[in-house]
Amino acid sequence: DTGVSQDPRHKITKRGQNVTFRCDPISEHNRLYWYRQTLGQGPEFLTYFQNEAQLEKSRLLSDRFSAERPKGSFSTLEIQRTEQGDSAMYLCASSLVERSANEKLFFGSGTQLSVL
Amino acid sequence: EDQVTQSPEALRLQEGESSSLNCSYTVSGLRGLFWYRQDPGKGPEFLFTLYSAGEEKEKERLKATLTKKESFLHITAPKPEDSATYLCAVLSSGTYKYIFGTGTRLKVLA
Repeated sequence: DTGVSQDPRHKITKRGQNVTFRCDPISEHNRLYWYRQTLGQGPEFLTYFQNEAQLEKSRLLSDRFSAERPKGSFSTLEIQRTEQGDSAMYLCASSLVERSANEKLFFGSGTQLSVL
Repeated sequence: EDQVTQSPEALRLQEGESSSLNCSYTVSGLRGLFWYRQDPGKGPEFLFTLYSAGEEKEKERLKATLTKKESFLHITAPKPEDSATYLCAVLSSGTYKYIFGTGTRLKVLA
């Protein structure tokens, strides 16, 4: 168990540029989540994958955001035409649910995005 | 809509001074209530899952309890290394969207 890995740890970009983040979940985990967190706030749900299928997506997520999880392994989150309001910590989490009594999330350390 | 409210927003304790953090929730069918610890610059770290009213979980100086409307995280004789933000989250029926509160920032002074 090497933990959830996110890359890059920090990203600085100019407004209007596209950015892509990568998440490598714990290898046997079948569920993967993306969350966004701003200073002083709790994590805000963005989207959820079970294996390669994207099963749930936040209504708050604009069309500029897209996520993929090809082959049910790593995942990418892309933000197109970034805006200053996109500045936040983007967190990835994974879980392995074999029984309903085991739904804890394992989080990565996040990607801190700063849009100038 | 599912909602989680945590109080207080911030708490300063002297080492050894016990206290409790509160998490009030509104959900349409609770599947689970979760407590996480988050250190600055890191992702949340899982502490407890509670599933039904009356349930209690303990780990070292932490004890989590659950009622039908709220959960408490009791911290007994805290140490400076317990300083962190403590997040509460709920998962309701029919969704995989964990709803987090804004957290309680705990500072334990030596």
